[in-house]
Amino acid sequence: EAQVTQNPRYLITVTGKKLTVTCSQNMNHEYMSWYRQDPGLGLRQIYYSMNVEVTDKGDVPEGYKVSRKEKRNFPLILESPSPNQTSLYFCASSPETGLNTEAFFGQGTRLTVV
Amino acid sequence: GEDVEQSLFLSVREGDSSVINCTYTDSSSTYLYWYKQEPGAGLQLLTYIFSNMDMKQDQRLTVLLNKKDKHLSLRIADTQTGDSAIYFCAEKEGHTLSNNDMRFGAGTRLTVKP
Repeated sequence: EAQVTQNPRYLITVTGKKLTVTCSQNMNHEYMSWYRQDPGLGLRQIYYSMNVEVTDKGDVPEGYKVSRKEKRNFPLILESPSPNQTSLYFCASSPETGLNTEAFFGQGTRLTVV
Repeated sequence: GEDVEQSLFLSVREGDSSVINCTYTDSSSTYLYWYKQEPGAGLQLLTYIFSNMDMKQDQRLTVLLNKKDKHLSLRIADTQTGDSAIYFCAEKEGHTLSNNDMRFGAGTRLTVKP
């Protein structure tokens, strides 16, 4: 089954404790991205990756890091989480080519930073 | 920057039609999308429309695009309780090679009352 898998689904952590949210897709997609969803703001892009070893900042990259060592994985790293990073996070992937490229979303990771 | 705007809430009775509206500002938008997010789940693509189309119909869903006014709407006929969800409008400028990013609205929470 084609899917984007995020882990964990729920996470409560303390300020300053490094964490990683994993994202994996099995569709051989080139493009992957991370979004955060906040009430009244919709989805805002944090980082994206056009392909292996190619990453770039989205609209709200501060406080986050990513890596793309393999095509299928795109982890989101919070080196020193802060309460304003409490949010619902979504990973998405899509083929790079094609005039219309549907984005496939993971189930979401609800992060609470206390 | 470019904005995508939607009203936040809509409530209808089961069997009625629902119309969810969206406005966008980027005149270079090539594709416009409607995504559905059910509680606790990721986003699922419902339908999309290319900017040279005025209307697209898919079973109970009708998408209308007024490119002059930059207005997009999603009509759900015979709305059912299973249609209760958050609906996101999104737009993408299809010619960029640097970022496959979509811009999302804040989402409209549709509540269907029995």
